[in-house]
Amino acid sequence: DSGVTQTPKHLITATGQRVTLRCSPRSGDLSVYWYQQSLDQGLQFLIQYYNGEERAKGNILERFSAQQFPDLHSELNLSSLELGDSALYFCASSVGSTSGRRGYEQYFGPGTRLTVT
Amino acid sequence: TQLLEQSPQFLSIQEGENLTVYCNSSSVFSSLQWYRQEPGEGPVLLVTVVTGGEVKKLKRLTFQFGDARKDSSLHITAAQPGDTGLYLCAGEGHNFNKFYFGSGTKLNVKP
Repeated sequence: DSGVTQTPKHLITATGQRVTLRCSPRSGDLSVYWYQQSLDQGLQFLIQYYNGEERAKGNILERFSAQQFPDLHSELNLSSLELGDSALYFCASSVGSTSGRRGYEQYFGPGTRLTVT
Repeated sequence: TQLLEQSPQFLSIQEGENLTVYCNSSSVFSSLQWYRQEPGEGPVLLVTVVTGGEVKKLKRLTFQFGDARKDSSLHITAAQPGDTGLYLCAGEGHNFNKFYFGSGTKLNVKP
């Protein structure tokens, strides 16, 4: 158990709909990352938050948005869903900092499997 | 296109054999991490290497970071069925804490 929780575990929805995925980081971790994993594209970095602020952005579509709340949990919102958005969505957390130290360990949650029909 | 290329993509070997998985890039990374992922679960961190040329050992697993910090290898000695899984490397960009994952090596160790 990594200490990172994600809900829901599975989500089935129709094209055009909107969903929200939730992540609670490990106790003490300030940084949250979101990744998308699909069969043919491996693990793709979407976005990172540190202590409530966006730190880095990857290949995140405009239809997707995220935020990190004062209690450090994070939500990933996916709207106008398309069939191609079906994937595993992972959240990871790390201590993270702005000090420039390299190699902070990331701890991954169990993922949310999204199926768009 | 992936920033990090892993090879081989698939590997099926017998218990007791040795194997090496490679992770290559034309980019320089601040650090490199190796993960193992089992079906339906999140990746689990195995090791982090930070210094060029660094070698780390974790029981039967040996990890090396290239001198130029562009590539890495994972060597497993005397593989066991419990080593079966998807091995992922992840390079940390110079925008600290932003990680780029390779496409993975799917390892199957047959008893």
